[in-house]
Amino acid sequence: KNEVEQSPQNLTAQEGEFITINCSYSVGISALHWLQQHPGGGIVSLFMLSSGKKKHGRLIATINIQEKHSSLHITASHPRDSAVYICALDTSGSRLTFGEGTQLTVNP
Amino acid sequence: NAGVTQTPKFQVLKTGQSMTLQCAQDMNHEYMSWYRQDPGMGLRLIHYSVGAGITDQGEVPNGYNVSRSTTEDFPLRLLSAAPSQTSVYFCASSYNGGREQYFGPGTRLTVT
Repeated sequence: KNEVEQSPQNLTAQEGEFITINCSYSVGISALHWLQQHPGGGIVSLFMLSSGKKKHGRLIATINIQEKHSSLHITASHPRDSAVYICALDTSGSRLTFGEGTQLTVNP
Repeated sequence: NAGVTQTPKFQVLKTGQSMTLQCAQDMNHEYMSWYRQDPGMGLRLIHYSVGAGITDQGEVPNGYNVSRSTTEDFPLRLLSAAPSQTSVYFCASSYNGGREQYFGPGTRLTVT
């Protein structure tokens, strides 16, 4: 299937580094979601976007609908940012298709 | 608001046993869904509901039943547990399917 691909699968960074996680997809979408899964397992919605760019604190999400690509950026990364980041496609307004996630580890 | 709650947090079943995973939300969300998460795979949709009395199958519905008698509750029933159903199960809700998703804490199920 692989309608959605995330890269990299694993990412290790040093505290303070600028981080980029990518999401490419092959189908038409109405929106794209970025989610964060904490080491304890809980999942939190970070962004939902259908065009342009959104910013929340040190997190920035962008999407290019024509290129079918989205990026999640973390500025001034911190060990507490260590988590799995998941991209999910909204293709129908009622169902999401999830990427496999990117495991981020930020070392102090 | 409690948000989305799931019970139990952990469960061990023997093959062939049945059980119900509970999910409730207090945000008056119309849309609720059940996902399973397995190593190396993304979250996969089992069943979803767009409102009380309405349910539909997702990507991996076999072996699971759901019902939605109230807006608040969306239980997931395993009719005859199999080892292939060992997974972490997440319930989620949203105002509608395309809006921000709110996830429960998950239920870790092991079938032996």
